[in-house]
Amino acid sequence: GENVEQHPSTLSVQEGDSAVIKCTYSDSASNYFPWYKQELGKRPQLIIDIRSNVGEKKDQRIAVTLNKTAKHFSLHITETQPEDSAVYFCAADYYGNNRLAFGKGNQVVVIP
Amino acid sequence: DAGVIQSPRHEVTEMGQEVTLRCKPISGHNSLFWYRQTMMRGLELLIYFNNNVPIDDSGMPEDRFSAKMPNASFSTLKIQPSEPRDSAVYFCASSFWSGGSTPDTQYFGPGTRLTVL
Repeated sequence: GENVEQHPSTLSVQEGDSAVIKCTYSDSASNYFPWYKQELGKRPQLIIDIRSNVGEKKDQRIAVTLNKTAKHFSLHITETQPEDSAVYFCAADYYGNNRLAFGKGNQVVVIP
Repeated sequence: DAGVIQSPRHEVTEMGQEVTLRCKPISGHNSLFWYRQTMMRGLELLIYFNNNVPIDDSGMPEDRFSAKMPNASFSTLKIQPSEPRDSAVYFCASSFWSGGSTPDTQYFGPGTRLTVL
């Protein structure tokens, strides 16, 4: 089955700087890679996703890059703001079905 | 759209009691997922349904846990008897599955925070 790992576990950045979180996955057949943001006491919410037919996707200050050869994908947050402080989860699909394997999450702390 | 609805939002019970968590998926979605979240183990998939049929329950920790989906708009997760180690946040999520090779977005409910004393 699919196994997803996230590094680093905690990331502290100064407001205005960029944050990058990297995930690796094990199943080369995986095609779908979403990122979820979870604020304290709230539900995980999708912020961006990427499918295997593209290498990069952007949405305002957030971007995701995918390297299928190396089996890793990364979340990039530019011009970080205090409201970006949260836990970010990456995930990858199990080929042929609709379940996801989630990483353990990264705590991002934006220091004002 | 009301989103995924879960009840109760908080549940405090004593060890040995039965606990029932409820979920209403987004209308039109045909896949439903139950997750458990703890600090130690992160977000774990317990079971998921496609078109009301359980597909994979390998994440259900033991026989004390059971889940049903009697129709497209309702699912329950039952723990009987409950134990302190079951204390966690339980999330329900739903999505639309067309049967293709890649899944659609999963939308999470607000979660049920369960405390077993």
